[in-house]
Amino acid sequence: NAGVTQTPKFQVLKTGQSMTLQCAQDMNHNSMYWYRQDPGMGLRLIYYSASEGTTDKGEVPNGYNVSRLNKREFSLRLESAAPSQTSVYFCASSDRAGRTNEKLFFGSGTQLSVL
Amino acid sequence: QKEVEQNSGPLSVPEGAIASLNCTYSDRGSQSFFWYRQYSGKSPELIMFIYSNGDKEDGRFTAQLNKASQYVSLLIRDSQPSDSATYLCAVNLIEGADGLTFGKGTHLIIQP
Repeated sequence: NAGVTQTPKFQVLKTGQSMTLQCAQDMNHNSMYWYRQDPGMGLRLIYYSASEGTTDKGEVPNGYNVSRLNKREFSLRLESAAPSQTSVYFCASSDRAGRTNEKLFFGSGTQLSVL
Repeated sequence: QKEVEQNSGPLSVPEGAIASLNCTYSDRGSQSFFWYRQYSGKSPELIMFIYSNGDKEDGRFTAQLNKASQYVSLLIRDSQPSDSATYLCAVNLIEGADGLTFGKGTHLIIQP
């Protein structure tokens, strides 16, 4: 049972390069999320998709774009990477049943370094 | 401002004792509260959730919620070295974006 799968696990970029982080879930969840985790800052929401075909900004969306390709897949793109985007990125999905129930299940994370 | 606050620790507890982790939140209308455990270098793992005032027990874990005080806690009984991890409190805040708002986590160390 794979759950939430993220690729790649590690990535090193130079400033200005672009890349896409991939995420797929096999739990038939409607909602998917991208978080970043930085030391001393905790987990912060970048973008989310409440359902196939919709995306919305979270707390820290600047410098990122997302695509909800289908119900299973939700990708995060960095168009022009900056050192401030060095972080660990987590994809998550939810069997959301209204706002009162949003148990999140996380992928294994992507450690990104921008030099 | 929407906030979830936790003491960052480290919190050091002897093996076999009760570990008590605390969290406060700013949004009085919040409905759902979650505790995640995160081992170093790993992803967060859901261990408890609570929606109603009072206590909820699951094995060695008890979640406690007091909405009037905007306070949620996690008790770990008979603490084991394998419980050493960072514990993240997460709240489904009513206002703002979907998803959960996380505290910065409490680093728990269980001393053998």
